Amino acid sequence: AQSVTQLGSHVSVSEGALVLLRCNYSSSVPPYLFWYVQYPNQGLQLLLKYTSAATLVKGINGFEAEFKKSETSFHLTKPSAHMSDAAEYFCAVMSRDDKIIFGKGTRLHILP
Amino acid sequence: EAGVVQSPRYKIIEKKQPVAFWCNPISGHNTLYWYLQNLGQGPELLIRYENEEAVDDSQLPKDRFSAERLKGVDSTLKIQPAELGDSAVYLCASSDRGETEAFFGQGTRLTVV
Repeated sequence: AQSVTQLGSHVSVSEGALVLLRCNYSSSVPPYLFWYVQYPNQGLQLLLKYTSAATLVKGINGFEAEFKKSETSFHLTKPSAHMSDAAEYFCAVMSRDDKIIFGKGTRLHILP
Repeated sequence: EAGVVQSPRYKIIEKKQPVAFWCNPISGHNTLYWYLQNLGQGPELLIRYENEEAVDDSQLPKDRFSAERLKGVDSTLKIQPAELGDSAVYLCASSDRGETEAFFGQGTRLTVV
C-alpha cells in the first residue's frame, strides 16, 4: 500500500532562511507526488506536482521539490522564507487508480 | 472559472442530530472526493466518485455516513446521527479525467456538541 511520511510536524525557520520540509513515500509503482499548502480555515492549494517528467519541479510562491527515486523522497524547499509562507504543508501521493493519500502535514512557522 | 464550492462553511449541531454537507465540483470534473480532516492531521479519503458511481467507499463509516452524487455533478455527504468524534473539517475535491491533481473546496468545519 502506498503511504507518505512527513518528518517533523512543526518546522520553524527565520525569515529569509532556507525552508526544507521533508517527505518520503512508499509506492510499488512510479507515483505522482504533490505538495499542497493549507492556510488557516482554508482548503488545500496545490503548490507543485511531480508526474514523472523532470525530477526537479518548480511550483508557486518560489517553492520547488526534487523527486529522488533512490531515496523515495520528495522534499520541498524554498531558498528564502517569507512571513506569508507560514501555513500547513501536506505531501501527497496519487496511485494509478487516482487515490490520493496525504501525509500528516508539517506546520511551518516563520520567525521574524 | 469557479472553484469547488462547499456549503455550509461552518456547522454546529448537537450530538445525535443529522447533518448534511453539499459540494459543487468544478464544471466538467468527473471525479469527486470527500475527505475528512481531523485537527492537526492530513486529509483522509472517505469516498471517491467517478461520475455518479462510488468507486472507493472503503473508508466511509456506512453505519452513520452516506453520500450521493446524483447526475454525476453535485454531491452531498450526510451523517446521521452525528457523534462528538465527528467534529472535523470535511473537504470536497474534484479532478478532471486524465488530470493528476485534485482541486479542493474550502471545507465545512463541523462541531458536534
